[in-house]
Amino acid sequence: EVQLVESGGGLVQPGGSLRLSCAASGFTFSDHYMDWVRQAPGKGLEWIGRNRNKANSYTTEYAASVNGRFTISRDDSTSSLYLQMNSLKTEDTAVYYCARSYFYSSVYYIDYWGQGTLVTVSS
Amino acid sequence: DIQLTQSPSFLSASVGDRVTITCRASQGISSYLAWYQQKPGKAPKLLICAASTLQSGVPSRFSGSGSGTEFTLTISSLQPEDFATYYCQQLNSYPLTFGGGTKVEIK
Repeated sequence: EVQLVESGGGLVQPGGSLRLSCAASGFTFSDHYMDWVRQAPGKGLEWIGRNRNKANSYTTEYAASVNGRFTISRDDSTSSLYLQMNSLKTEDTAVYYCARSYFYSSVYYIDYWGQGTLVTVSS
Repeated sequence: DIQLTQSPSFLSASVGDRVTITCRASQGISSYLAWYQQKPGKAPKLLICAASTLQSGVPSRFSGSGSGTEFTLTISSLQPEDFATYYCQQLNSYPLTFGGGTKVEIK
């Protein structure tokens, strides 16, 4: 059974930093692209970034709203995904989801999601 | 960036109704589109990928169609468990983007 469990959320002041973790199990983590998606309270989904697998050199893509402030990394040896968030703003307040992507018909689709972890940026 | 516009943003329907949700892309995205269902307090669930491929375990009353810039998600006979918010997502180019969502509520 595929499981994704996020941790590390909490309350942080504007300008601060936070590191989220995602523990994956039930599949071969190293084969998959992994994504982070967030959802502000009462709002829609926002894709914030993707980390490709080793076969694709672990390269990353980011949304403009977080580019330069957030960094996605992974550790295949522990099946873990990370999101380092720096220079946090109040508008970064959201539930952050870790998600797995799989290859189908030329692109990678998100097929499994974690339960999410809440990040609140407030003074 | 590719913008996805979902319509309607809200719809009220009864059990047994046929429901259609539209997702329009600001530029062509071939068939690189997914549909998700999200219930309150829960993570999204993938329903359809590649515009029309139903995920394993998803009831056949759900179907997707379209290519290019216009896509639809249809629920042929709405069931009580289908009341949720639905999102489309494009995978054609980065940044990946979601539509604004369509909330389906009980009439």
